[in-house]
Amino acid sequence: ETGVTQTPRHLVMGMTNKKSLKCEQHLGHNAMYWYKQSAKKPLELMFVYSLEERVENNSVPSRFSPECPNSSHLFLHLHTLQPEDSALYLCASSQGGGATDTQYFGPGTRLTVL
Amino acid sequence: SQQGEEDPQALSIQEGENATMNCSYKTSINNLQWYRQNSGRGLVHLILIRSNEREKHSGRLRVTLDTSKKSSSLLITASRAADTASYFCATSLSGYSTLTFGKGTMLLVSP
Repeated sequence: ETGVTQTPRHLVMGMTNKKSLKCEQHLGHNAMYWYKQSAKKPLELMFVYSLEERVENNSVPSRFSPECPNSSHLFLHLHTLQPEDSALYLCASSQGGGATDTQYFGPGTRLTVL
Repeated sequence: SQQGEEDPQALSIQEGENATMNCSYKTSINNLQWYRQNSGRGLVHLILIRSNEREKHSGRLRVTLDTSKKSSSLLITASRAADTASYFCATSLSGYSTLTFGKGTMLLVSP
């Protein structure tokens, strides 16, 4: 256990559905991240939040909408996804958003878009 | 463009043997980190080496960094079946705070 939990662990959704992924960290960290991991591709950073403010958005389509209501929780709201969005979505947190901060990852949500 | 790239893509060894994985990157870095990922799970941080360090040890892990060649290696000594996982290098660019990951090396350690 890394202190970062993600729910659900598996999600199957149609292209017209709306769903949300949840991440919670119990480490007292100030920065949280969403990553997308697709087969045979490098891990892609999607969003970074530091002290509840979004500090990075790596040209992610608007069908992905993050929300960080407090420093312990991070959501990824999904709507009208495409089959190519099927992937493992990983949440991570770190003490700060600095270059030497170790990131602690959750177990991920395996998303399948039909 | 991809910053870190691991080599080989896959490695299969017997228990007790050493495993060496390499990572090459393109631009100046602040530090380089190695992570491990068991199948379908999250990544676990293994070790961080700063740009002014050349070698670092942690248990059975040994990491080297050669900034002149823009490369790093991860050595796992006396491997165990439990070391079976994917290993990723991640670089933090000078002046930036986010990590850029490579595609990883899949290591299989057979009993």
